[in-house]
Amino acid sequence: DSGVTQTPKHLITATGQRVTLRCSPRSGDLSVYWYQQSLDQGLQFLIQYYNGEERAKGNILERFSAQQFPDLHSELNLSSLELGDSALYFCASSLSGQSPYNEQFFGPGTRLTVL
Amino acid sequence: SQQGEEDPQALSIQEGENATMNCSYKTSINNLQWYRQNSGRGLVHLILIRSNEREKHSGRLRVTLDTSKKSSSLLITASRAADTASYFCAFLNRDDKIIFGKGTRLHILP
Repeated sequence: DSGVTQTPKHLITATGQRVTLRCSPRSGDLSVYWYQQSLDQGLQFLIQYYNGEERAKGNILERFSAQQFPDLHSELNLSSLELGDSALYFCASSLSGQSPYNEQFFGPGTRLTVL
Repeated sequence: SQQGEEDPQALSIQEGENATMNCSYKTSINNLQWYRQNSGRGLVHLILIRSNEREKHSGRLRVTLDTSKKSSSLLITASRAADTASYFCAFLNRDDKIIFGKGTRLHILP
């Protein structure tokens, strides 16, 4: 158990809908990262937050947004969902914002299926 | 592509044998990490090697880094069934974005 929790574990929804994925980092970790993992694209970095502020942005679509709250939990919002958004979404946390100076601890993931 | 490239894509070996996976990258890096992922689960950090290090050990794991060739290798000695997983290298590119390779799927045969 990494100490990172993600909810829900599974999510099935329809095209055009909007969903919110939630992540609670390890106690004491200030950075949260979001990743998308699909068979064809592999593991793609989406976005990083550090202590409430956006720190780095990766291949995140405009339809997707994220935020980190004062209690350091984070949410990833996916809107206008398309079939191609079906994937595993992972959250990871680290102590500082300077990764990979610090190892990342991954949550169990949320499996999103868009029908 | 900015992604790291792992080689081979898949590897099957007998239990007890050694497994070697390679990772190549294109940018300059500060350090490189290796992660393991069991099927459908989150990644688990294995080892971090800094750019000024050439070799690092952790239990049955041995990682080497050759910055002149922009490559790293992960060696798992005396493999066990529990080592069956996908292995990824990860590094920070010039834009401070974390890049993961596509992974090597390792299967340990009984």
